[in-house]
Amino acid sequence: GAVVSQHPSRVICKSGTSVKIECRSLDFQATTMFWYRQFPKQSLMLMATSNEGSKATYEQGVEKDKFLINHASLTLSTLTVTSAHPEDSSFYICSAPAAYNEQFFGPGTRLTVL
Amino acid sequence: GENVEQHPSTLSVQEGDSAVIKCTYSDSASNYFPWYKQELGKGPQLIIDIRSNVGEKKDQRIAVTLNKTAKHFSLHITETQPEDSAVYFCAEGGGSNYKLTFGKGTLLTVNP
Repeated sequence: GAVVSQHPSRVICKSGTSVKIECRSLDFQATTMFWYRQFPKQSLMLMATSNEGSKATYEQGVEKDKFLINHASLTLSTLTVTSAHPEDSSFYICSAPAAYNEQFFGPGTRLTVL
Repeated sequence: GENVEQHPSTLSVQEGDSAVIKCTYSDSASNYFPWYKQELGKGPQLIIDIRSNVGEKKDQRIAVTLNKTAKHFSLHITETQPEDSAVYFCAEGGGSNYKLTFGKGTLLTVNP
């Protein structure tokens, strides 16, 4: 299957700082990527759809000024958690659809805000 | 997609037994049904998927069945092994926006 990478795999930061997470499609191009958030023992919650060359589309209840998304190229999307607080601590996962709608996920980023 | 219900939430089987996980969906326009395996601390891994033009698909020990009339689909794992232990998620989609709606997941434990 297609490969999606994420960086960093884990990050610990102080409250109030901003954290950037990168998502890359390694062997295919993706005009669309998705960002999910997952709390322990829960399902994946879609946060936003990242669109190459245009603004991201956010799901209801997700603050766009809090979670900044930039889809700079056909292989890279970034999620920036601005002014992070302990309640933002979570597992963030990106995905990208390849051929035939098959969606492939990155390995995830564990964010811990102290 | 709108809503996906997944059952059971936990499933414990003995090594070598079969495991079945079922999902129901509500959006009649859905036409793509993937299954993902997620191990602890990792991203979900696509293990098998099925589209609405077929009723069953197999890949070695894994199979998925789809009943579009009843709006449900199931994952079947035969000859389970301890390394099959993980959380399994079903999902449905099919719109041009590629969005998927996920079930709540099933924690499968295969006991040696």
